[in-house]
Amino acid sequence: ILNVEQSPQSLHVQEGDSTNFTCSFPSSNFYALHWYRWETAKSPEALFVMTLNGDEKKKGRISATLNTKEGYSYLYIKGSQPEDSATYLCAPPTMEYGNKLVFGAGTILRVKS
Amino acid sequence: DTEVTQTPKHLVMGMTNKKSLKCEQHMGHRAMYWYKQKAKKPPELMFVYSYEKLSINESVPSRFSPECPNSSLLNLHLHALQPEDSALYLCASSQDPGLAPNNEQFFGPGTRLTVL
Repeated sequence: ILNVEQSPQSLHVQEGDSTNFTCSFPSSNFYALHWYRWETAKSPEALFVMTLNGDEKKKGRISATLNTKEGYSYLYIKGSQPEDSATYLCAPPTMEYGNKLVFGAGTILRVKS
Repeated sequence: DTEVTQTPKHLVMGMTNKKSLKCEQHMGHRAMYWYKQKAKKPPELMFVYSYEKLSINESVPSRFSPECPNSSLLNLHLHALQPEDSALYLCASSQDPGLAPNNEQFFGPGTRLTVL
């Protein structure tokens, strides 16, 4: 069973603050890591899929890095906006089935204006 | 069309009822998924269909019965559910049936199920 941990559990920031949170996963037999954003009453939305050690991906003000040797990924949000408020989930696929994602518990981000 | 749709949005049913959840995508994706999400928990995989065949069943009780009539449609038939089955049921689809690690999943908005 994959053990996926996300920290912190929740985060409250002011509009304009930059923030980051962590996803930890087993470093052995690494396959890939998915990041999703889930806004309340909406569908989870894929942000990034990361596969290579040292990968850095960016989408607007959001970026993510990946360290497969030590088993973690960071998600960064620069200049947080109220519309960034959501739950951010990371999910590595399992080795036996590439489409079987195991989600972490998520980081709940609330951005106050 | 890059959307996964789910109906109904909300469902309330008794323990003796039979009901079905429906999921549809028109992106040509060949893998479709059912997830269950309880409050304050992450989504948990229930079933995966690859090329319209069931490829993963995560030891889900038989009172949940999935069906994939065609490549665009996925149903979840519910019968004799228990109150603890109340949850948000999410459907997802992906292009590649599982061999690629970068197999991004597209999610629907979910059906909120309450079992009385």
